[in-house]
Amino acid sequence: QKEVEQNSGPLSVPEGAIASLNCTYSDRGSQSFFWYRQYSGKSPELIMFIYSNGDKEDGRFTAQLNKASQYVSLLIRDSQPSDSATYLCAVNGAGANNLFFGTGTRLTVIP
Amino acid sequence: DAMVIQNPRYQVTQFGKPVTLSCSQTLNHNVMYWYQQKSSQAPKLLFHYYDKDFNNEADTPDNFQSRRPNTSFCFLDIRSPGLGDAAMYLCATRVGRNTEAFFGQGTRLTVV
Repeated sequence: QKEVEQNSGPLSVPEGAIASLNCTYSDRGSQSFFWYRQYSGKSPELIMFIYSNGDKEDGRFTAQLNKASQYVSLLIRDSQPSDSATYLCAVNGAGANNLFFGTGTRLTVIP
Repeated sequence: DAMVIQNPRYQVTQFGKPVTLSCSQTLNHNVMYWYQQKSSQAPKLLFHYYDKDFNNEADTPDNFQSRRPNTSFCFLDIRSPGLGDAAMYLCATRVGRNTEAFFGQGTRLTVV
């Protein structure tokens, strides 16, 4: 499967801090990128997606995409204990419906 | 209202006994996926359909088969489950590439 790499963590941040999550991908032709959150024992739920180079903001979340570097990141501002979960990066391969996931980064927000 | 429904939520099967997991959707999406997720691992894409077009990942074992009789339903058949097939199985749907995928609640399979 196409490689999608994430630091598995765990990543711990204090409440109110910024959490930074990173993802790299191997398929240079990839066109769309998704961040999902997954609580233990639950299915993934979409946080946001990004298609174009640059930043995309949605509330406390900002996705950043750099296609030249094959890198996508997620910033979570004002982190809350409820943000504690595993964050999965997903990448849509070029010209296909394949959707591949990274291993995920486990985030813990400490009150 | 649940839009992607997986049944059952929990399935216990015997080693070697065929088992079928089901997924239904009310979204009328073209694409349906089956993923296998083991503890602390990434969801691993097994196969997907675009309408009736079936796409099997190269590393999906032959033991796993799928059927999509119509737009709404998709089934995962495990012909001879082994202990290593114990996992969460996730079904997802989306309109097409570059769009959001919606997941069902998953079926946790135990093999005894």
